[in-house]
Amino acid sequence: NAGVTQTPKFQVLKTGQSMTLQCAQDMNHEYMSWYRQDPGMGLRLIHYSVGAGITDQGEVPNGYNVSRSTTEDFPLRLLSAAPSQTSVYFCASRPSGRNTDTQYFGPGTRLTVL
Amino acid sequence: AQSVTQLGSHVSVSEGALVLLRCNYSSSVPPYLFWYVQYPNQGLQLLLKYTSAATLVKGINGFEAEFKKSETSFHLTKPSAHMSDAAEYFCAVSNTGNQFYFGTGTSLTVIP
Repeated sequence: NAGVTQTPKFQVLKTGQSMTLQCAQDMNHEYMSWYRQDPGMGLRLIHYSVGAGITDQGEVPNGYNVSRSTTEDFPLRLLSAAPSQTSVYFCASRPSGRNTDTQYFGPGTRLTVL
Repeated sequence: AQSVTQLGSHVSVSEGALVLLRCNYSSSVPPYLFWYVQYPNQGLQLLLKYTSAATLVKGINGFEAEFKKSETSFHLTKPSAHMSDAAEYFCAVSNTGNQFYFGTGTSLTVIP
């Protein structure tokens, strides 16, 4: 049971490049989410999903796309990277049904956009 | 709209002293409240959560927090700090359980 995994751990992009941050969980959790963490800002929710085929926007969705084709995977796409997207990105998951259940966080992806 | 305010971005305590990390929230309805801990270069780990049951919540590693509706607070305490408690602590609030709002974090330093 690997929990929540994220790849890559580190990434450097140039402005305008695109990339996908991968997130996978093997706990059969229906709820998955993406956050970005910036110094002095805490964590801010980008997008979340309550099940395969269902996604919704969080607090800071602009510049990011998501899809949820399977229960296990929830990739985050940057279509045209900007320096403002330099951040640490965390994926999290939890069971649905009981919305106070613990969220399990991945180890994070550190992204730098030059 | 929901928000979380954590007073004090940096807190230092001596080993063995009381730890008090402050969290105030704003919410139009009774919220779910959480405290998370983050060690360097790691993801977040749940310390404890309030889900409208007992107002005094006990968590892992000897931490506890008390929900005070009249003060809209959910402060985190630990009677005796240990060196291993040095980390970043985040308070979070959610109404629906789908959208979570985090505070800006408090970095705890434990002085030997």
